[in-house]
Parts: sequence; C-alpha cells; structure tokens
Amino acid sequence: GQQLNQSPQSMFIQEGEDVSMNCTSSSIFNTWLWYKQDPGEGPVLLIALYKAGELTSNGRLTAQFGITRKDSFLNISASIPSDVGIYFCAGPNNNAGNMLTFGGGTRLMVKP
Amino acid sequence: DAGVIQSPRHEVTEMGQEVTLRCKPISGHDYLFWYRQTMMRGLELLIYFNNNVPIDDSGMPEDRFSAKMPNASFSTLKIQPSEPRDSAVYFCASSLAQGISSYEQYFGPGTRLTVT
Repeated sequence: GQQLNQSPQSMFIQEGEDVSMNCTSSSIFNTWLWYKQDPGEGPVLLIALYKAGELTSNGRLTAQFGITRKDSFLNISASIPSDVGIYFCAGPNNNAGNMLTFGGGTRLMVKP
Repeated sequence: DAGVIQSPRHEVTEMGQEVTLRCKPISGHDYLFWYRQTMMRGLELLIYFNNNVPIDDSGMPEDRFSAKMPNASFSTLKIQPSEPRDSAVYFCASSLAQGISSYEQYFGPGTRLTVT
C-alpha cells in the first residue's frame, strides 16, 4: 500500500533557528496536508497543498508540493518554544474514498 | 464554530469492562473517521462513515470493537470487552464530502483510554 516517509524522525533545535522537514512517497499524491499535534491534543491542520510546485505559507510556516508529486516539504522560520510538537504529513489514500495516509511524524523539540 | 467534540477526554477502566467513546463532528461535515494512536503503531484508521453509513471498517482490530453513527451529529466507538492492549488515544475526525478541500480532516482532542 501507499506509505509516506517523514524525515527526520526527530529534531532538537535552538529557539530562533529555521527548521526543514520532508515527506516522501513511492507513489504520486494529488494533495498534501501538513498537521501539527501538540502534546495531549489532536492533530491540527496547518497547510493544504493541491497543485504540483505550489508553495503556501501560514505565518512562519511554508510548505511546498514537490514537482514530482512524490514529496512535500515543510519549513518553519525563526522557531519558538510553542513550535514543539509532532508534525505529520498526509495524503489521500488513492485506493479508497476520503481516507488519508499519514506519515510517521517528525518530533520537534525547541530549546529556549 | 465548534470543532469536533469528543468525550470523555480520559477513561480508565478495568479489563473486561465495556468502554464507549463519543464524538460530535463539525456541523455540516459528511465524513466521520475514528483513529487510534499508539507509540508503536502511530495513527491508525479504524473505521469511517459517509452520511452516517459505515464505508470501510477494515481497520477495526477485532469483533470487540464496534462503531455506530445514528445521526449526522453523533457517533460512538464501543469496545466490549476491553483489554490492556486497547490502551491508546482514540481520535475522531470529520471532513466535507465535496470540493477540493474534501480531504481536509479536522480532529477532535482525543480520548485517552487506559485499560488496567
């Protein structure tokens, strides 16, 4: 089945640094979604991408839909302590309805 | 607007007891999804509904798990009898059926279940 591979699995950075993470797949996706999960909460949708090459921002977050449609990237600029959490990428499960396939997540830790 | 509402937020029960988790999707959303999250297996889809009808329950672990959606604003996930390996965080999510944003799922805060 479809799989989404996220890297890195975890990151420990200093406050103020920029962060980059990515999500890759062996199959093509027509939509990419990025979620953030705070400790003890449910995943929250950050950014949705619908077109190959698309670059979309949400505050300090910027996500890109890879040209090959097999990858996506999320960047966070000038990280702050509240950026701590797990970031998931997701894409439609092409085999079934409105189901999503989720990546394993990137755990971000920010040192003040 | 209210987001997805789940109750209870925490549930501690003894092995063998029945557990019922509840979810109220976002008003107007046509799809409802139940997920389970554990450290070992990550986020797993258990079952999803479209217009109150179960569409795919292939992720439901076994017969001890059942889910219902009696109307557009309420769904339950029941575990009977519960076992320690069912301990996890259970999420409900909802989405619209049509349009470019139909894949955008909105999650509730989750129910943390502990079975002792």
